[in-house]
Amino acid sequence: DQQVKQNSPSLSVQEGRISILNCDYTNSMFDYFLWYKKYPAEGPTFLISISSIKDKNEDGRFTVFLNKSAKHLSLHIVPSQPGDSAVYFCAPINTDKLIFGTGTRLQVFP
Amino acid sequence: DVKVTQSSRYLVKRTGEKVFLECVQDMDHENMFWYRQDPGLGLRLIYFSYDVKMKEKGDIPEGYSVSREKKERFSLILESASTNQTSMYLCASSALGQGAYYGYTFGSGTRLTVV
Repeated sequence: DQQVKQNSPSLSVQEGRISILNCDYTNSMFDYFLWYKKYPAEGPTFLISISSIKDKNEDGRFTVFLNKSAKHLSLHIVPSQPGDSAVYFCAPINTDKLIFGTGTRLQVFP
Repeated sequence: DVKVTQSSRYLVKRTGEKVFLECVQDMDHENMFWYRQDPGLGLRLIYFSYDVKMKEKGDIPEGYSVSREKKERFSLILESASTNQTSMYLCASSALGQGAYYGYTFGSGTRLTVV
């Protein structure tokens, strides 16, 4: 039973344009949603989070949007840079446990 | 700089061997976690611990056990390694109740191959 789905396994975006990564979830009890970024041969690093009582959170080039009624969140990266090329995981949290999605591989090309 | 350290980056073990994966954190975190990462499946939680000597099963605990004798150290044990346990293993830690605000801190991972 997949509680967190990232339906796009990969995404390719030109440098300078917007990258939009999507995530759907089934459990309405999640109270926080986190995004992680992972480079090959490294552990995931925390990127940005959003509380379930908010619908938007922004940190520099990264913005996360939450639509609770649709059980959907998205991560926007503007402008995209080649260094953003990595795998991105959506990870809701419940009782201090992170539940990871399957990930989306983002490639930003010049 | 705070750290989660996993003792090995790469391991190759034979089927049936008992395998120990070690993880140490220096942040005095209460919570520690073991995940495995497989292509197309994301990160799946194997076991976690909220305190010394405490352990809880995650989503895929079969074939694994854990040990937490000291706060800073969380060990994952493969009792009898099998080829389907070939994977990237990731250890993480977080302060109690703070995971939502600051996320987990992950180690660099151990790539285990069982032959």
